[in-house]
Amino acid sequence: EADIYQTPRYLVIGTGKKITLECSQTMGHDKMYWYQQDPGMELHLIHYSYGVNSTEKGDLSSESTVSRIRTEHFPLTLESARPSHTSQYLCASSDPSLYGYTFGSGTRLTVV
Amino acid sequence: KQEVTQIPAALSVPEGENLVLNCSFTDSAIYNLQWFRQDPGKGLTSLLLIQSSQREQTSGRLNASLDKSSGRSTLYIAASQPGDSATYLCAVPSSNSGYSTLTFGKGTMLLVSP
Repeated sequence: EADIYQTPRYLVIGTGKKITLECSQTMGHDKMYWYQQDPGMELHLIHYSYGVNSTEKGDLSSESTVSRIRTEHFPLTLESARPSHTSQYLCASSDPSLYGYTFGSGTRLTVV
Repeated sequence: KQEVTQIPAALSVPEGENLVLNCSFTDSAIYNLQWFRQDPGKGLTSLLLIQSSQREQTSGRLNASLDKSSGRSTLYIAASQPGDSATYLCAVPSSNSGYSTLTFGKGTMLLVSP
């Protein structure tokens, strides 16, 4: 079944740790996105990709980085986590015309 | 810069009522508009997509309309049920990125009580 998967679902880590949030999709979509969402608040686009070897920064400034080496995989990395990074991170994918927009279940990150 | 506004921010209704959620956007040069549903702590699920050439799109008890010239869309939910309780977001292509990403509204939080 075509879907988009995010791991881990929940993560609690200490300040200063390096972490990678995983996102994979099986729909063959070229475009992928990372959003940040605080509880009860709006979504903010932090990174997106048009395809392999393409990465762009979104509307919200973020200390995270992304890579797109394979079509199906779009991981997000925080080199040194801080409490201000505590949030929910949502991954999504779509075709080039923004059709078939599909979200993963999210990773809820807590930095202590 | 594309901005999306949703009214009301929250809505509480008894089961069985028909209701309307509103969405407005500032840049009308869009080619589609989407409505999503988000359950607490979860990702978003696409409900309806309206092309700019369409005026309405229906799925079950949901009907979405689009008036591109006035920058407005409405989501009509008929015969609401407790299972409809969720946050509903509308989204349009963002002029910030050459219309290659979506800009989301803050959402309307709906509570349907039995």
